[in-house]
Amino acid sequence: AQKITQTQPGMFVQEKEAVTLDCTYDTSDQSYGLFWYKQPSSGEMIFLIYQGSYDEQNATEGRYSLNFQKARKSANLVISASQLGDSAMYFCAMREGTGGSYIPTFGRGTSLIVHP
Amino acid sequence: EPEVTQTPSHQVTQMGQEVILRCVPISNHLYFYWYRQILGQKVEFLVSFYNNEISEKSEIFDDQFSVERPDGSNFTLKIRSTKLEDSAMYFCASSEALGVSYEQYFGPGTRLTVT
Repeated sequence: AQKITQTQPGMFVQEKEAVTLDCTYDTSDQSYGLFWYKQPSSGEMIFLIYQGSYDEQNATEGRYSLNFQKARKSANLVISASQLGDSAMYFCAMREGTGGSYIPTFGRGTSLIVHP
Repeated sequence: EPEVTQTPSHQVTQMGQEVILRCVPISNHLYFYWYRQILGQKVEFLVSFYNNEISEKSEIFDDQFSVERPDGSNFTLKIRSTKLEDSAMYFCASSEALGVSYEQYFGPGTRLTVT
């Protein structure tokens, strides 16, 4: 079973609009972390935001916020006021604490295109 | 802001040749990682390294791969006899500590093309 599922292979949004990128995860651990990374066409992986499983509040970083719904095992990324520079691949990742292995598992990614 | 650097940015090699990909992790970080991303696919973990030894590796990291920290700053990935399917983007990452909340900082990647 996939540990991280990103069901949207591609998303389009108008500049200045908000967009939500979906991510669901599968774990039986109580302690885990959820991450979002941005990968522009140049290829580098840019860390955006982190949410811990015990965090009671949704994480926010500037225009990025994480809509964390623990019972539904979802960790959707919300980008407010989209900019042309937000066009990129976005990867959701999870790190579990079982057995001391903290290696993250990545989803397949969502390609976001921001239209002017 | 400190960052992970990788060289070269692009490497082209012939099948069967050995390649060494180089990384300089962030200086106070203790944990180092290599990942691979085949074009259009998700990022896959290869190996983690701590205290001068491999701490974890994936099924992908077979005998043709090796890692080394030859000095206090560099962290290298060697692919002994490259195959066409090794063509991918290789990312190095480092983290300050080990734990669910510790962010891994990724380098810009090396694009390896095997012909």
